[in-house]
Order: sequence, then C-alpha cells, then structure tokens
Amino acid sequence: GENVEQHPSTLSVQEGDSAVIKCTYSDSASNYFPWYKQELGKRPQLIIDIRSNVGEKKDQRIAVTLNKTAKHFSLHITETQPEDSAVYFCAASNSGNTPLVFGKGTRLSVIA
Amino acid sequence: DAGVIQSPRHEVTEMGQEVTLRCKPISGHNSLFWYRQTMMRGLELLIYFNNNVPIDDSGMPEDRFSAKMPNASFSTLKIQPSEPRDSAVYFCASRSTNEKLFFGSGTQLSVL
Repeated sequence: GENVEQHPSTLSVQEGDSAVIKCTYSDSASNYFPWYKQELGKRPQLIIDIRSNVGEKKDQRIAVTLNKTAKHFSLHITETQPEDSAVYFCAASNSGNTPLVFGKGTRLSVIA
Repeated sequence: DAGVIQSPRHEVTEMGQEVTLRCKPISGHNSLFWYRQTMMRGLELLIYFNNNVPIDDSGMPEDRFSAKMPNASFSTLKIQPSEPRDSAVYFCASRSTNEKLFFGSGTQLSVL
C-alpha cells in the first residue's frame, strides 16, 4: 500500500521568512495530494491540494509543487506569519473512494 | 451544512468500560472514514465505508474495536472493553467520490 514520508518533523522560522515542507510517496498510482493544517486542539483543515496533471498550484502565500517522476511534493509558505504556526500534514491517495494516507506531520513555529 | 458532526467531544472512562463514538457525515457524501491520532503514530486510518459498506478494516487494531454505518447519515465506532492505550483523538471524516475530505471536530478519549 501507499506510504508517505514527511520532513522535517519540526520547523522554526522567523516571521516573514519562507517555510518548505517536503513529502515523498511510494505508490506511483497516487494522483491526489492534499495538505492539511491542524491548529492545537482543532481538526485538520484542508489548505491546498494538487492533482497529478498539474505540477504547481498557488493560493496567495501558499504553493504546492509536485514531481511525479521523483514521487515527491512540497508545500511552500512565503512571508510567514505567527498564525501560520500549526502542524501541517501531507497526504496521498489514488483518488476515487480510496482513503488518504497521511505523513506524520510537521510542527511549524513562526517566531515573531 | 454543519460539516461532519462527532459526539461526544470528550470522553473519560475507566479501563474495561465500553465506549461508543458517533459521527454524522456531511449530507450527500458517500464515503466515511475513521482515523485515530496519537503523537507517536500520527493519523492512522482505522476503517472506511463507501455507500455504507465497510471496505477496509485492516487498520482496526484489535477485535475490541468495531464500527458500523447503518445508514448514510450515521456511523459508530465502538471499543469494548476499552484500555488505557486506546487513549487518543478519534476523527471521523467524509467526502464524495473524487472530492475533498472534511474532518469532524474529533473525540478526545481518555481511558484511565
């Protein structure tokens, strides 16, 4: 089955700097790659997703890139703000009705 | 729509007691997933249903765990008997085919 590895497990950046979180996946059939943000005590919430027919997608300060050949995808957050502090999860699935397989998460701390 | 609704939000019980967690998916969603979240293991898929039918329960840790989905608007996850190592946050999530996954607020379970 699918296996998703996520790095780093923790990341601290200064406010205004960029943050990059990387994930690799094992199943070449996976074609859907969402990212979730989870604040302390809250539910994971979808912030951006990408499908395998696209190499990059942006939404304001957030972007995701996908390299299907290498089987890795990354989340980029620019101009970080303290409210970006949270745990971020990447995930992968073979779309349809198959479940998402999640990475172990990255705890991002943005220092003011 | 009120989103995915889970109850209770918090459950504290003693070892050996039966625990029942409840979930109401978003109306119109045909897939429902139960995840367990711990610091050590991250977000683990326990079981998922498509059109009320259990598809894969290989993530259920032991026979003490069972799940049902009697209709499209309700699912339960039961632990009997509960043990301290079952303490975790249990999330229910739902989606439509090829659509985005939405999580409920979770149930924080503490087994003493």
